[in-house]
Amino acid sequence: DSGVTQTPKHLITATGQRVTLRCSPRSGDLSVYWYQQSLDQGLQFLIQYYNGEERAKGNILERFSAQQFPDLHSELNLSSLELGDSALYFCASSGTRGEQYFGPGTRLTVT
Amino acid sequence: AQSVAQPEDQVNVAEGNPLTVKCTYSVSGNPYLFWYVQYPNRGLQFLLKYITGDNLVKGSYGFEAEFNKSQTSFHLKKPSALVSDSALYFCAVRDMRNRDDKIIFGKGTRLHILP
Repeated sequence: DSGVTQTPKHLITATGQRVTLRCSPRSGDLSVYWYQQSLDQGLQFLIQYYNGEERAKGNILERFSAQQFPDLHSELNLSSLELGDSALYFCASSGTRGEQYFGPGTRLTVT
Repeated sequence: AQSVAQPEDQVNVAEGNPLTVKCTYSVSGNPYLFWYVQYPNRGLQFLLKYITGDNLVKGSYGFEAEFNKSQTSFHLKKPSALVSDSALYFCAVRDMRNRDDKIIFGKGTRLHILP
């Protein structure tokens, strides 16, 4: 168990809908990272937050947004969902030594 | 820009034989290098990292990796493979010159250990 929690574990929704994925980092970790993993694209970095502030941005679509709250949990919002958004979404947190610890992921299926 | 390549989509090794999973990287400055493992329907698990110091890094589950600066490689190795090592392995790199903590992952190598 990495100490990073993600909810929900599975999510099934229809095209055009909006969903929110939630992540709680390991105790004491200030950074949260979001990744998308699909069969054809591999593991794609989406966005990083550090202590409430956006720190780095990767291949995140404009339909997607994220935030980190004062208690350090983070939410990833996905809107106007398309079939191609079906994927595993991982959250990770890191401390001061650089390595990241991943949550169990949320499997999103868009029908 | 930083990048990482895992040239093999899949590696097959007989149980008990040594295994190597290859990784090469490209960064502007000095690299932080990582290996992660992913078992089916699970998140990635940290195996080991290189930041500085000895080129041979030891990690979890008997794995080790060798940093080779001249070849810009960071291959993952294990002297004797177990069937339970079968999983998806990711190499990752971070450029120490970058202000952000962004880590770039390779596409992954699927390791099959044959009993």
